Amino acid sequence: GENVEQHPSTLSVQEGDSAVIKCTYSDSASNYFPWYKQELGKRPQLIIDIRSNVGEKKDQRIAVTLNKTAKHFSLHITETQPEDSAVYFCAASNVDNAGNMLTFGGGTRLMVKP
Amino acid sequence: ETGVTQTPRHLVMGMTNKKSLKCEQHLGHNAMYWYKQSAKKPLELMFVYSLEERVENNSVPSRFSPECPNSSHLFLHLHTLQPEDSALYLCASSRGTVGYGYTFGSGTRLTVV
Repeated sequence: GENVEQHPSTLSVQEGDSAVIKCTYSDSASNYFPWYKQELGKRPQLIIDIRSNVGEKKDQRIAVTLNKTAKHFSLHITETQPEDSAVYFCAASNVDNAGNMLTFGGGTRLMVKP
Repeated sequence: ETGVTQTPRHLVMGMTNKKSLKCEQHLGHNAMYWYKQSAKKPLELMFVYSLEERVENNSVPSRFSPECPNSSHLFLHLHTLQPEDSALYLCASSRGTVGYGYTFGSGTRLTVV
């Protein structure tokens, strides 16, 4: 089955700096890669996703890049703000996956210092 | 409100109790999931239902028993739990095809005493 590794497990940045979180996956058939943000005491929420036919996707201050050859994808947050502080999860799923099961990474706790 | 509602929000139960967690979605999704979230394993898949049929049981102990009576409702029946089962239990729903993200509920914070 799919295995998703996520690094780093914790990340501390100064407000205004950029943050990068990286994930690798094992199943070359995976073709959908969402990212979720979970604020303290709240539910995980989808913030951006990318499909395997695209190499990069942007939405305001966040972007995701995908390298299918190397089987890794990354989340980039620019001009970080204190409200970006949360736990971020990457995930992957593949076309043969009945029920659209996502395999999640272990999470990254991002702390943005004012 | 995201369209996925979980009840109760908090539950404290003894090891000999029987209780049930409820999840309801009004998004027209046809797949529903139970995840366990704890400090050790941040998002651990427990059960998957697609079109009301269970498609995945991720080696979950039999003291957890899921039920999906229709595409909008999902239950997790609990009995004879252990203290290590204390965690946040998250329900999610999605379209059943790859390429769509999940919508999570707010979770049930379960404490087993």
